[in-house]
This record gives sequence, C-alpha cells and structure tokens, in this order.
Amino acid sequence: AQSVTQLDSQVPVFEEAPVELRCNYSSSVSVYLFWYVQYPNQGLQLLLKYLSGSTLVESINGFEAEFNKSQTSFHLRKPSVHISDTAEYFCAVSEGNQGGKLIFGQGTELSVKP
Amino acid sequence: GAVVSQHPSRVICKSGTSVKIECRSLDFQATTMFWYRQFPKQSLMLMATSNEGSKATYEQGVEKDKFLINHASLTLSTLTVTSAHPEDSSFYICSALSLMKTYNEQFFGPGTRLTVL
Repeated sequence: AQSVTQLDSQVPVFEEAPVELRCNYSSSVSVYLFWYVQYPNQGLQLLLKYLSGSTLVESINGFEAEFNKSQTSFHLRKPSVHISDTAEYFCAVSEGNQGGKLIFGQGTELSVKP
Repeated sequence: GAVVSQHPSRVICKSGTSVKIECRSLDFQATTMFWYRQFPKQSLMLMATSNEGSKATYEQGVEKDKFLINHASLTLSTLTVTSAHPEDSSFYICSALSLMKTYNEQFFGPGTRLTVL
C-alpha cells in the first residue's frame, strides 16, 4: 500500500534563508505527486504537482520540487523564504489506478521568523 | 482554476443533534467528491469517497451510519454528522475531482469547523 512520509514536523527558519521540506513516498506503481499549502483555518491550496515529464516542477511563488524516482522523494525547496510563507505544507500521492484518491503525509509546519 | 465551496464555514451544535455540511463544485461537474477530517495539528484523513448517483465508499473505521453522505447531483455532495458528540468536533474538508482535466486533480473546499458542545 502507498504511504507518504514527511520527515520534519516543524521547520523553523529565518526570513530570506533557504528551506527544504522533505517528502518520501512508497508505491509500486506510477504516481502523481503534489504539494499543498494550508493557512490557519483554511482549506488546502495546490502549490505544485508532478504528473509526468520534467522532474523539476515550479510554483509561481518561488517554490520548486524535484521528483526523484530512485529515491522515491519529492522534496520541496525555496531559495529565500518570506514571512508570508509561514503555513502548514502537505505532500500527497495519488496512484494512477486509484481514481484520484490522495494519500497525505503528516504535514510540515514551516515557521518563518524575521 | 476550479472552485469548490463549503457551507457552513463554522457550525456549533449541541450534543445529540445532526449537522449537514454542503460541498459544491461551482464551475465544473464532479462525479467524484471526497470528504476528509482534520484534527488540530494533524494531517487530512480520508473519510469517504462520494460518487454521484451511487453509495459512498467509506474508509476503514469510518461509521457509515454516523457520517451520511449523499451525492445527488454532479455539483453537490452533502455530509451529515448524525447524533453528533464532542469527539466529532473537527475540521471537515471536501474536495471535488475535476472531469475536465486529463489527469486526476482534486480541488479543495475551504473547510467547515464543527464544534459539538
């Protein structure tokens, strides 16, 4: 069965510093990979996704993630974070034969300090 | 992008009452919607998959008689928490699977905060 592991529950970082949020998954079939961001008391917003093609995917606000099939990872990175990036980040996996069902990681709380 | 709404955004009810939460896809049709539950500082746990015109598929451990799901149209799914108790207090989030895309992508509602007194 597929599973998603986010290795860090909390990541404190200073403003303008780089950050990496780690995500590993397990699956025996092809997968789609997603990163979602959740601000307090709100739903989830899609940050970026990997479906196929280039293994490096980018978002409009400076985040990027790289799909590494051999390491079954999909780490999220940003070279310089802002205070406004403070939020909960969820990695999720969908197997192609599961009708769109998503399995979420435990979440990583990114806290950006001035 | 596709928009999904939830109503109400917050609800407070007394123990023993039933609460209905609506999930609507506003600008696309969704034969499949999902219902999640999220406790504070935790991840989303899939409760059930709602399919238009058929019975919902519940995840293991979710009581189907307590969490009634109805997906009567291609744009509306409802979750009714029957005989709610304080332990049902949680953040409930729905999502809708878009038919217009070539891949499966879920669009999430803003969530409903349920507090049972």
